[in-house]
Amino acid sequence: DAKTTQPPSMDCAEGRAANLPCNHSTISGNEYVYWYRQIHSQGPQYIIHGLKNNETNEMASLIITEDRKSSTLILPHATLRDTAVYYCIVRVANTNAGKSTFGDGTTLTVKP
Amino acid sequence: DAGVTQSPTHLIKTRGQQVTLRCSPKSGHDTVSWYQQALGQGPQFIFQYYEEEERQRGNFPDRFSGHQFPNYSSELNVNALLLGDSALYLCASSPGGQTQYFGPGTRLLVL
Repeated sequence: DAKTTQPPSMDCAEGRAANLPCNHSTISGNEYVYWYRQIHSQGPQYIIHGLKNNETNEMASLIITEDRKSSTLILPHATLRDTAVYYCIVRVANTNAGKSTFGDGTTLTVKP
Repeated sequence: DAGVTQSPTHLIKTRGQQVTLRCSPKSGHDTVSWYQQALGQGPQFIFQYYEEEERQRGNFPDRFSGHQFPNYSSELNVNALLLGDSALYLCASSPGGQTQYFGPGTRLLVL
């Protein structure tokens, strides 16, 4: 599985957009980019995923570069409840062998 | 629709003992994966079950074993517990290899 690199920590002001970067330069053509977040030792919460195109859902937007070597998760209007550890992972989907390899993630702190 | 559920929520064991953790997947999900998360680290993949068979395994010793039942629920067994086995154990379910959804985890403390 391809590895990902994320900054260890980031701050964001409440109400502003939070942009979380992720590098995955060794991603394979059949690997998706997934984002999860984990709030204080709860189970990781699925946020969004994509293969090539940018994706948006009710929680966030995912921007994937054209060469697919990096991506950015955007929380458009961060709230205090968005304070969490955010994990970017790449994994094969559409098979029965899609394990997820987590790094240490980015600790996002949203400040009032 | 209930999400992934795990039991128990917390557990305390002593070194050398054995433990069994349980997981019920989301409705419609047939694949279950188990992860170990030590304090301050990301989850580490233990193994994945599909059609009642172990399909993939991470870098964990044979003391870690599992089972999947016909209703897709799963158990994680750890024998001969070590202090280093203290961690949050997470179960994730998915429909095949699609998006994994995680349960709340079981916090295991080995004394």
